[in-house]
Amino acid sequence: TQLLEQSPQFLSIQEGENLTVYCNSSSVFSSLQWYRQEPGEGPVLLVTVVTGGEVKKLKRLTFQFGDARKDSSLHITAAQPGDTGLYLCAGATDSSYKLIFGSGTRLLVRP
Amino acid sequence: EAQVTQNPRYLITVTGKKLTVTCSQNMNHEYMSWYRQDPGLGLRQIYYSMNVEVTDKGDVPEGYKVSRKEKRNFPLILESPSPNQTSLYFCASSPSRGRTSTDTQYFGPGTRLTVL
Repeated sequence: TQLLEQSPQFLSIQEGENLTVYCNSSSVFSSLQWYRQEPGEGPVLLVTVVTGGEVKKLKRLTFQFGDARKDSSLHITAAQPGDTGLYLCAGATDSSYKLIFGSGTRLLVRP
Repeated sequence: EAQVTQNPRYLITVTGKKLTVTCSQNMNHEYMSWYRQDPGLGLRQIYYSMNVEVTDKGDVPEGYKVSRKEKRNFPLILESPSPNQTSLYFCASSPSRGRTSTDTQYFGPGTRLTVL
């Protein structure tokens, strides 16, 4: 069974601080996606990474796919209250039509 | 507006009373999927459909049924709901689920189901 473990589960920080969220697995994924979910809504895709070692930047968010394609990280610089939400990583493999989700990291950015 | 809609958004029911949660997308997507979200467990896939009349089990299919008679609709059926099916349910669609596995999944707003 493929599993994606996210850490930390909860994170409460002050506005302006930096943070990193991790997504780890013992399995290799062909691609990895990061979603953000706000209360009362469905997850919304932030980014997809497909190449080992790939780094993508989305304004203050930096996403990295591990060289071995087993892990990924999300780094937020100078967090803002608008970044508050549940961050989910999701992995896919070429051998399956299923998307495997991590358990999520709940982020609270205090003004 | 491109979207995935679900109905109802909230539902409280009793054990054993059959219910259906509807899901519809207006983006002509081939792939549709149902997930349940529970605290600490993330999103778990219940069923998915590659196209009309093509459905397959996800990771937690027990107690659920689906059908895909039309491309835009993918209802989730609970024939005899039980309290352990109390959860937040999401429908999602994506253009295709090809081997590149890089499609964006578009999620509905969710249905919060409580089974007493």
